[in-house]
Amino acid sequence: EVQLVESGGGLVQPGGSLRLSCAASGIGFSTSEMNWVRQAPGKGLEWVAYISSGGGAIYYADSVQGRFYISRDNARTSLFLQMNSLRAEDTAVYFCARAAPRMGIQSPFDLWGQGTLVTVSS
Amino acid sequence: EMVMTQSPATLSVSPGERATLSCRASQSIRSNLAWYQQIPGQAPRLIIYGAFTRATGIPARFSGSGSGTEFTLTISSLQSEDSAVYYCQQYNNGWTFGQGTKVEIK
Repeated sequence: EVQLVESGGGLVQPGGSLRLSCAASGIGFSTSEMNWVRQAPGKGLEWVAYISSGGGAIYYADSVQGRFYISRDNARTSLFLQMNSLRAEDTAVYFCARAAPRMGIQSPFDLWGQGTLVTVSS
Repeated sequence: EMVMTQSPATLSVSPGERATLSCRASQSIRSNLAWYQQIPGQAPRLIIYGAFTRATGIPARFSGSGSGTEFTLTISSLQSEDSAVYYCQQYNNGWTFGQGTKVEIK
């Protein structure tokens, strides 16, 4: 079955850290460009980070630059997001999303996980 | 900074009627525009990419148009299952989403 499954969300205090995972199955993960997208409660979608298929190209939204780090393990078909120095405004559901194949970096996101909730609160 | 502006914020349409959603980019994005449908509690689903190409499995009642800075998503005959929030996204320069249009069934 083709799917992305996120895990690792939870409640964390401001200033704390959390590591999210996204397990891929049924897709050519090693050739897939991947992204993290978040959605604050009751709000819209915000792109967070991108990583190329081999991990050589990485981009971040300004709002998380220097605090969040995206990585991947193609052997384990997994995507990760290390989140440090968390703030209340980072509270959101975090989705992993695949960039549509064979479109290069200018791609929409054709496959999404169900999301994992991160709550930053004391 | 790229800004995507959607209108209206909420659209109330009777079943079988046409729904027209708009999306404007702050600068030209050529045809690098996608539309997503998000039903409450679910992940977004890609419905249109390249401004007018339907994604796999998307019904023909969904159509997209536009290029440059002005884009439209049309649902030709609204069904109850189309009640959702619709987001546009530019992928010409990074990735930026609009704030969404909520489509309600009247």
